[in-house]
Amino acid sequence: KNQVEQSPQSLIILEGKNCTLQCNYTVSPFSNLRWYKQDTGRGPVSLTIMTFSENTKSNGRYTATLDADTKQSSLHITASQLSDSASYICVVSEKSSASKIIFGSGTRLSIRP
Amino acid sequence: DSGVTQTPKHLITATGQRVTLRCSPRSGDLSVYWYQQSLDQGLQFLIQYYNGEERAKGNILERFSAQQFPDLHSELNLSSLELGDSALYFCASSISTGGEQYFGPGTRLTVT
Repeated sequence: KNQVEQSPQSLIILEGKNCTLQCNYTVSPFSNLRWYKQDTGRGPVSLTIMTFSENTKSNGRYTATLDADTKQSSLHITASQLSDSASYICVVSEKSSASKIIFGSGTRLSIRP
Repeated sequence: DSGVTQTPKHLITATGQRVTLRCSPRSGDLSVYWYQQSLDQGLQFLIQYYNGEERAKGNILERFSAQQFPDLHSELNLSSLELGDSALYFCASSISTGGEQYFGPGTRLTVT
C-alpha cells in the first residue's frame, strides 16, 4: 500500500533556530515529491518539488533533500521565523497513474519568540 | 494569490440541506481537484477532473458529487448534510494530471 509518513507530528522551536522535518514514503513507482506549507485555515502553498534525479532543492531558507534509494525526504528550515509557524505537508506522486497523489498527514511547526 | 478562486468563503447551513461549492481554476489549468480538511486533520482527496471528465476518485461519499464545466470551472455538491461534514473544502488546479497543484483559499462549511 502506498503511504507517506511524516515525523515528527508536531514540533516547537525557538525563533532563529534550525529544524528538520522528515518524510518517508513507500510510493512506487515514484514520480515526484513535493513539500507544501499550510498556514492555519489557508490553502497549502508549494515550497519545493523534486523528481527522482534531484537530491536537493532550495527555496530561500527552505532546503529539501531526497534519497530515492531509501525513499526518504527531509525539509530543513534555517534561521526560523515566527511566520514559519504552519503545517508542512509532504506529497508524493505515483508514476504509473499521474493522478495518484498521496498526502502525508503533516508536521505542525510552532516557532516561539 | 494562487490564481484559484473559490466561492463562497464561508457557508453555514443546517443538517439535511444541500450546498454547492464553486471553484475557478488558474487560467490555462485543465485539472481540478477537490479536498476536504476537517478540524486538525490532514487533507483528504475527494475527486479530480481533467478537461471536463472525472479522472480519479478518492474518499468521496455518495452524498457528494462534482462536475467540471466546459469553461473548466468546477462545482462540488454536498447533499443530506451531516454535522461531520463541517470542514474546509479546498479546490486545487494544475496544468496537467499529476502536475503541480495550486490551491484555492478554501470554503469553510459549518453544518449546524
